[in-house]
Amino acid sequence: DAKTTQPPSMDCAEGRAANLPCNHSTISGNEYVYWYRQIHSQGPQYIIHGLKNNETNEMASLIITEDRKSSTLILPHATLRDTAVYYCIVNTGGFKTIFGAGTRLFVKA
Amino acid sequence: AAGVIQSPRHLIKEKRETATLKCYPIPRHDTVYWYQQGPGQDPQFLISFYEKMQSDKGSIPDRFSAQQFSDYHSELNMSSLELGDSALYFCASSGSEHFRVQNTEAFFGQGTRLTVV
Repeated sequence: DAKTTQPPSMDCAEGRAANLPCNHSTISGNEYVYWYRQIHSQGPQYIIHGLKNNETNEMASLIITEDRKSSTLILPHATLRDTAVYYCIVNTGGFKTIFGAGTRLFVKA
Repeated sequence: AAGVIQSPRHLIKEKRETATLKCYPIPRHDTVYWYQQGPGQDPQFLISFYEKMQSDKGSIPDRFSAQQFSDYHSELNMSSLELGDSALYFCASSGSEHFRVQNTEAFFGQGTRLTVV
């Protein structure tokens, strides 16, 4: 499975968009990009996933670069409840994928 | 909507004791995954099951074993507990129609917090 690199932490003002980057330069053609988040000590929560097209759902948008070597998760209007660790994961299926260090997002009032 | 149910939510055991954690997947999900998350650590994959057969294995100690039953619930058995086994244990499930197909997601339970004293 491809490795991912994420910044260790980010701040965002409440109500503003949070843009969380992820580098996955060794991603292969059949690997999807998944995003999960974990709010303190709760079970990880699925957010969104995609292969090469941009995706949007009720929680977030996922922008994948054309070369697929990086992606950005966008929370359009961050709230205090979005404070969590965000994990970017790429894999070919199944979930033995290692959760990396993730990005700790702090949403501030 | 029904979610992944784990029991117990909290468990305290002494060193060298045994523990059994249970996981009930979302209805019609027949793939189950177990993760261990130590304090300040990221979730580490332990083992997974599909249709009652082990499908993938990660960093699961030999002291641990797991199985999936005919009703698709799963149990993680932990023996000769050590202080280092203190962690959050998460179970996740996903739908069989998408097993090993990339375009799916897993749903996690709220975890069991195991404390070994």
